[in-house]
Amino acid sequence: DQQVKQNSPSLSVQEGRISILNCDYTNSMFDYFLWYKKYPAEGPTFLISISSIKDKNEDGRFTVFLNKSAKHLSLHIVPSQPGDSAVYFCAASAMKTSYDKVIFGPGTSLSVIP
Amino acid sequence: DVKVTQSSRYLVKRTGEKVFLECVQDMDHENMFWYRQDPGLGLRLIYFSYDVKMKEKGDIPEGYSVSREKKERFSLILESASTNQTSMYLCASSSRGSRYGYTFGSGTRLTVV
Repeated sequence: DQQVKQNSPSLSVQEGRISILNCDYTNSMFDYFLWYKKYPAEGPTFLISISSIKDKNEDGRFTVFLNKSAKHLSLHIVPSQPGDSAVYFCAASAMKTSYDKVIFGPGTSLSVIP
Repeated sequence: DVKVTQSSRYLVKRTGEKVFLECVQDMDHENMFWYRQDPGLGLRLIYFSYDVKMKEKGDIPEGYSVSREKKERFSLILESASTNQTSMYLCASSSRGSRYGYTFGSGTRLTVV
């Protein structure tokens, strides 16, 4: 059973609009959440993260929101650019228990249309 | 520029062959990981290592083994390759206790025919 879920396999957004990528998790031990971005034929790269003691973290055009009670987080990209077209993986970790392991979701493929 | 290097970008192997995938990191990281990426399944952890000569099974270790004789090198071994092991294999590393996640290699696309 997947502990980190991304229920939308794909998303298309017009350039300049907001992209919202969603992620749900089931393990209440998770205390740190990350988003990775992956282009074809490249490894994933770290994008942004959030600790469970926060509900929002912002870095330029990227903002991650965390709703602990709902076990839900989302990544907002504003404004979306064609270069943002990639697969986005949501990930979570429970550092105290997991040898620094990170659990990844299945990914959402974002297409930003010029 | 710090990096994780995987020895091959593309590999084609025959069913039953023993396959070695090599990964080297230059960041002095304690932790190293092997994942495979498949459509709709995301990144699934095969094995990881948190120290030299130490290894732990991930979520899908069957059919794989690993070796970590030196801190910078983590090898994934397919004992007898099968067609269902055709996949993208990703190596990653991280420092112990890091909250900043992993540094990934560029991946090896393995096809077993």
